[in-house]
Amino acid sequence: AQSVTQPDIHITVSEGASLELRCNYSYGATPYLFWYVQSPGQGLQLLLKYFSGDTLVQGIKGFEAEFKRSQSSFNLRKPSVHWSDAAEYFCAVGEQAAGNKLTFGGGTRVLVKP
Amino acid sequence: EPEVTQTPSHQVTQMGQEVILRCVPISNHLYFYWYRQILGQKVEFLVSFYNNEISEKSEIFDDQFSVERPDGSNFTLKIRSTKLEDSAMYFCASREDRANSYEQYFGPGTRLTVT
Repeated sequence: AQSVTQPDIHITVSEGASLELRCNYSYGATPYLFWYVQSPGQGLQLLLKYFSGDTLVQGIKGFEAEFKRSQSSFNLRKPSVHWSDAAEYFCAVGEQAAGNKLTFGGGTRVLVKP
Repeated sequence: EPEVTQTPSHQVTQMGQEVILRCVPISNHLYFYWYRQILGQKVEFLVSFYNNEISEKSEIFDDQFSVERPDGSNFTLKIRSTKLEDSAMYFCASREDRANSYEQYFGPGTRLTVT
């Protein structure tokens, strides 16, 4: 069965500093990988996705992620964090089956210091 | 930009009552999903729906749960007899039926509180 691990429950970063959120997955085949962001009281917004091809993918809001098959990782990065990036971030892996259900990690809550 | 909508945003119900959570997926999407997030826990898959039938369901999705697409726009989740442990945020999601388009778009959620 597929699984996703986000080792960091909380991360605090200063505004303007860089951010990296870790994600490790377990899946038997080539995974479909996603990062979603959830602001307080909001739904899940898709930041970026990886299906195939270039292993460095760009997303919205200045985020990028790199797929590393050898490490089973899909870490999310942003060079310079803004106060509005304070939110909870979820990594997810999608099955290559008809239903394509998503399996989510536990999430990482990001706090941004002024 | 098209988006998934859900109603109500918050539902309070008594244990044993039936609830129906409603979702309007993005109009050209054909795959529909329900997920839930118990407070402080992971987002969990409940069910996927395609071509008017369930394509996959989790072990959480027992006989108390059902889904329906009653018309061309709505997608509903029914819980027949709610339990305290059904209290959670329920998210609806949808995606296109198109090659290389596997991303799911989520609604804002319905917070269900069972008392």
